[in-house]
Amino acid sequence: GAVVSQHPSWVICKSGTSVKIECRSLDFQATTMFWYRQFPKQSLMLMATSNEGSKATYEQGVEKDKFLINHASLTLSTLTVTSAHPEDSSFYICSARDSGRTDTQYFGPGTRLTVL
Amino acid sequence: KNQVEQSPQSLIILEGKNCTLQCNYTVSPFSNLRWYKQDTGRGPVSLTIMTFSENTKSNGRYTATLDADTKQSSLHITASQLSDSASYICVVRGNQGGKLIFGQGTELSVKP
Repeated sequence: GAVVSQHPSWVICKSGTSVKIECRSLDFQATTMFWYRQFPKQSLMLMATSNEGSKATYEQGVEKDKFLINHASLTLSTLTVTSAHPEDSSFYICSARDSGRTDTQYFGPGTRLTVL
Repeated sequence: KNQVEQSPQSLIILEGKNCTLQCNYTVSPFSNLRWYKQDTGRGPVSLTIMTFSENTKSNGRYTATLDADTKQSSLHITASQLSDSASYICVVRGNQGGKLIFGQGTELSVKP
């Protein structure tokens, strides 16, 4: 089946530093990728929709200058958390939509970010 | 407002027993409904996906039902195993290519 990978699977960083998370579709092309954030005991919250070759669309309340998204190829999207603070500690999950099958959406395994 | 409500919020059952999780939605228009299993610290994994015209779909010990008239869905787990302990999330897509709308999930714990 379709596979979406994320790297790293977990990261610990100091407050004020920036962290980059990669999301790759391994066996399909993804024109559209999605970034979600999940706090403990809560469901996934969509942060932004990433479209290959164009600017990402951010959900209301998500700071685009803090969460930089780049979708430079059909198999890779990156999320950079800039100047991270402890409140940014969360589980970040990406999802990729198969370009050839627009109603399919596969989730990555997630990245646990802890900001000290 | 488009919403997806799940019940119960949490559930504890003994290994080998069956259970049924519920999902009610108010999303309109409706494209499809999915059930995902999410293990702790992992991303969601798809169990079933059903469109408007489908009433039931099975995936091994998982059977999902859909009543598009009453906007209700259920996920039945048969002969539960310890590895079934996870969060089960009901997700609805409102229209073709639209955003996914997530329920809060049901936390299932299977005890020996």
